[in-house]
Amino acid sequence: EAQVTQNPRYLITVTGKKLTVTCSQNMNHEYMSWYRQDPGLGLRQIYYSMNVEVTDKGDVPEGYKVSRKEKRNFPLILESPSPNQTSLYFCASREQGVYEQYFGPGTRLTVT
Amino acid sequence: GENVEQHPSTLSVQEGDSAVIKCTYSDSASNYFPWYKQELGKGPQLIIDIRSNVGEKKDQRIAVTLNKTAKHFSLHITETQPEDSAVYFCAASKGGSNSGYALNFGKGTSLLVTP
Repeated sequence: EAQVTQNPRYLITVTGKKLTVTCSQNMNHEYMSWYRQDPGLGLRQIYYSMNVEVTDKGDVPEGYKVSRKEKRNFPLILESPSPNQTSLYFCASREQGVYEQYFGPGTRLTVT
Repeated sequence: GENVEQHPSTLSVQEGDSAVIKCTYSDSASNYFPWYKQELGKGPQLIIDIRSNVGEKKDQRIAVTLNKTAKHFSLHITETQPEDSAVYFCAASKGGSNSGYALNFGKGTSLLVTP
């Protein structure tokens, strides 16, 4: 089954404790991206990657890092999480040159 | 950058009625306009999209219309059913390899269909 998976689905952590949210897709898509979703703000892009070793900032990249060492994986790294990063995070992927994006199920992160 | 406005933020209709959600965009270079449905606890799922060279597209009970001159597009759901209850997002993209085909989302509309 074609899908985007994220882990963990739920995470509660404390300020300053480094964490990584994993994202993996099995569709051989070149493009992957991370969004955060906040009430009343919709989805905002954090980072995206056009292909392996190619990443770029989205609209709200502050406080986040990403890496793209393999085509199928695109982890989101929070080096020193803060409470304002409490949010619902979605990973998405698409085929190069095609508009349609496929979203993962989401990771709900709470930073206390 | 692109600014996408979506209205209304909440919409309640009775089963069988029609629902209309409207979006406006600011960047005239945008050429792709998808609509996503997000059910509780799930990620957004594409339900219909339209390109700038088309004025209307229909898929069973859902349709999207685009007015490029006015820079607005709308989602129409006819004969609504309780399973249509969800949050709907519009988005706009101007494509291009430089922008990564970035999607700029509206803030979402929570649709409730009551039996």
